[in-house]
Amino acid sequence: DAGITQSPRHKVTETGTPVTLRCHQTENHRYMYWYRQDPGHGLRLIHYSYGVKDTDKGEVSDGYSVSRSKTEDFLLTLESATSSQTSVYFCAISEARGGNQPQHFGDGTRLSIL
Amino acid sequence: SQQGEEDPQALSIQEGENATMNCSYKTSINNLQWYRQNSGRGLVHLILIRSNEREKHSGRLRVTLDTSKKSSSLLITASRAADTASYFCATDSLGDYKLSFGAGTTVTVRA
Repeated sequence: DAGITQSPRHKVTETGTPVTLRCHQTENHRYMYWYRQDPGHGLRLIHYSYGVKDTDKGEVSDGYSVSRSKTEDFLLTLESATSSQTSVYFCAISEARGGNQPQHFGDGTRLSIL
Repeated sequence: SQQGEEDPQALSIQEGENATMNCSYKTSINNLQWYRQNSGRGLVHLILIRSNEREKHSGRLRVTLDTSKKSSSLLITASRAADTASYFCATDSLGDYKLSFGAGTTVTVRA
């Protein structure tokens, strides 16, 4: 399995609080992604990174920010969590952009916002 | 927006039977990938098929791609209980290098 660690694995928090999820990789892959998975929607891309300090928005980026200060770490921040952000969040990595290389996924963070 | 849509949404089969699921997509693609997700885990890559390929095999998995119909199929032969999982197709469209995932097919293999 690719070396991807997400933390925390589970979190329950209240509306309006800030939340940061961490993704750590040991593969030295250039590309990193944050997805959310909700019933009936599959995975939707939130933000992705194509290098240190290089990030871009995905399909559902509103309410989320990211940072990548080191190759191995990609942080996802909910500045003021809302109940609509209750979801399972997955981090993924790939060696190249696009679909000509597989993405490797972490085991997810289950986030509940009450 | 979702590019790929899997069909059926759910599938229940007996151990030893074959399982077939389909993926349809809307716009021309560069590549199509299939992933498996076991309950409570992340997605695991199964097969990648490029737009100029028609068929690929990997062990008990067979993937076909018909770009004229904008569709792909995943066949799992001689299914096992361990194949119980959700299966997702993902595509990257021409000019857009991000992967777009479908909502998945949930496969249950009964012993």
